[in-house]
Amino acid sequence: EPEVTQTPSHQVTQMGQEVILRCVPISNHLYFYWYRQILGQKVEFLVSFYNNEISEKSEIFDDQFSVERPDGSNFTLKIRSTKLEDSAMYFCASRDKRVGSAARNEQFFGPGTRLTVL
Amino acid sequence: RKEVEQDPGPFNVPEGATVAFNCTYSNSASQSFFWYRQDCRKEPKLLMSVYSSGNEDGRFTAQLNRASQYISLLIRDSKLSDSATYLCVVTTPSGSNTGKLIFGQGTTLQVKP
Repeated sequence: EPEVTQTPSHQVTQMGQEVILRCVPISNHLYFYWYRQILGQKVEFLVSFYNNEISEKSEIFDDQFSVERPDGSNFTLKIRSTKLEDSAMYFCASRDKRVGSAARNEQFFGPGTRLTVL
Repeated sequence: RKEVEQDPGPFNVPEGATVAFNCTYSNSASQSFFWYRQDCRKEPKLLMSVYSSGNEDGRFTAQLNRASQYISLLIRDSKLSDSATYLCVVTTPSGSNTGKLIFGQGTTLQVKP
């Protein structure tokens, strides 16, 4: 069964360093997302990406964040200068159909990257 | 008011019990509704979509009340393997209609032998 993959599973970095989190969405999917979950808190939307551009972003997704789909398979999240409060689990998700049918709104999540900023 | 609100629990129940989770959402224009399951330190996984007419999948039954902005999940004959956090999730219309998911904080279920 196709699945979303993410690398690395755990990233430890020093405050102020740049990190790139990588995701390979399911191959025929059209919409891509990043979410984050701070330990003990709810899952929060960061950004959505469609047709090679950001379609929506949250207040969390400030100038320190960027996303890219550099080729036909990878989808990356870059944090330019990490802060302690960026420590969280980052989930990538993808979806294959246009909004309109509840069943087709299903988003498939990758296993996550645990980012620890020291 | 939180966009999606759930009782965090934990709910501690014996095997075989029936347990119900509730969820309310604040945006009356919300379009799609889901229950996701999240195991400790793992990704959310879709348990079931929730339809206006209510729907059932084996031991799981979901209900939606749009007038009250209320969603429920009923688990019958609980198994040890049902122990997890159950996430109430909605989508709301946005200008770009991206289908972003809005999560509740989750309700933790612990099924005991």
